Amino acid sequence: QVQLVESGGGLVKPGGSLRLSCAASGFTFSDYYMNWFRQAPGTGLEWVSYISNDGSDTNYADSVRGRFTISRDNAKNSLYLQMSSLRAEDTALYYCATCKISPVGTCLFDYWGQGTLVTVSS
Amino acid sequence: ENVLTQSPGTLSLSPGQRATLSCRASQSVSSSYLAWYQQKPGQAPRLLIYGASSRATGIPDRFSGSGSGTEFTLTISRLEPEDFAVYYCQQYGSSPITFGQGTRLEIK
Repeated sequence: QVQLVESGGGLVKPGGSLRLSCAASGFTFSDYYMNWFRQAPGTGLEWVSYISNDGSDTNYADSVRGRFTISRDNAKNSLYLQMSSLRAEDTALYYCATCKISPVGTCLFDYWGQGTLVTVSS
Repeated sequence: ENVLTQSPGTLSLSPGQRATLSCRASQSVSSSYLAWYQQKPGQAPRLLIYGASSRATGIPDRFSGSGSGTEFTLTISRLEPEDFAVYYCQQYGSSPITFGQGTRLEIK
């Protein structure tokens, strides 16, 4: 069965960096676009970034563009999110999710990990 | 962008009752590319419905979706204790994809 397991979250000071990982299993990872989402405590879902199946195409939410970098290693079935210049407002539970591409090129998010918590505080 | 507005914000019902959740889009959703997700406390979102009315794998048939254009509905025919959660709609008919703010379904 499909499994997505995030790791790498923790407590970091404002301005600091953190690298999140998402280990995938149970499907052909290299066939799928992948996404990162986040959810601040008590709030809704915020899309953060996506990466194409071969890593050639990426996109970011305006709130993180220039500070976060998404990448993947298909040989290791792993997705990453390098986060830098972290701010208090980046505090959230971060999820990775698979993307089922629609005929119009948008994503339906069919599988999600359990999340890893990032807390940005001094 | 296509803004999705869910109502009500909170719905209080008892097990066995029928739940009706609404999702209204600011623009017509292309090809009914509308999905519903369930999120229980402390858990990741789970895809329930896609294409406005198709159930995802393993989703019980008490969950059904309907609608088109700008008005969509998620119906839970008879609430089970495990159905009390937050529900989000998402449109994927146009970029950027957008989510509603969620409806909290709580036990009365």
